[in-house]
Amino acid sequence: EAGVVQSPRYKIIEKKQPVAFWCNPISGHNTLYWYLQNLGQGPELLIRYENEEAVDDSQLPKDRFSAERLKGVDSTLKIQPAELGDSAVYLCASSLDGGGTEAFFGQGTRLTVV
Amino acid sequence: GENVEQHPSTLSVQEGDSAVIKCTYSDSASNYFPWYKQELGKGPQLIIDIRSNVGEKKDQRIAVTLNKTAKHFSLHITETQPEDSAVYFCAARTRGAGGYQKVTFGIGTKLQVIP
Repeated sequence: EAGVVQSPRYKIIEKKQPVAFWCNPISGHNTLYWYLQNLGQGPELLIRYENEEAVDDSQLPKDRFSAERLKGVDSTLKIQPAELGDSAVYLCASSLDGGGTEAFFGQGTRLTVV
Repeated sequence: GENVEQHPSTLSVQEGDSAVIKCTYSDSASNYFPWYKQELGKGPQLIIDIRSNVGEKKDQRIAVTLNKTAKHFSLHITETQPEDSAVYFCAARTRGAGGYQKVTFGIGTKLQVIP
């Protein structure tokens, strides 16, 4: 069974440019998470979906970040415009439900803004 | 919100020795404490977890202990092997916005097992 799939693995962009990350969760998983992981830090939740509904986006910088999960399956996270401080690893995770079942992480997208 | 502190940030041990990583949490409502292992270039992977109604749990060479009164929990790895080298994260789960469970991670411990 395929795990959580993210693409691209790496992305280098110039500041002020837009960028998008894609995530395909494990089949049947209703809950999807986007995390930000800065170097030497633990993952920090950006947004959480229950099916197609964003139930916790309190940590998402809405002036430049946006996300969607149309049809409640795969998801896209976008940054526009990107800033130097956005350089980090963006992790996607999924779980069967939001009630506390194990979350499985993808390999992440390493973003470098120059 | 929940605050999870983890130490040490780096840990070097000789192969075969034990490694201990400690975490504290702030929210007494936290009821679930997972530990993740993250290898270079990969996402975190759950290795063991413990619930608030249990004081200790063991899985082969890995064990976790929980002291609810003191709000701290620890990861113990015995007979360490080079393949245990990775970054380990502790986490605490509590109820977040909208009543859904929310997981807060520590900053991680980079474990190096020296052959």
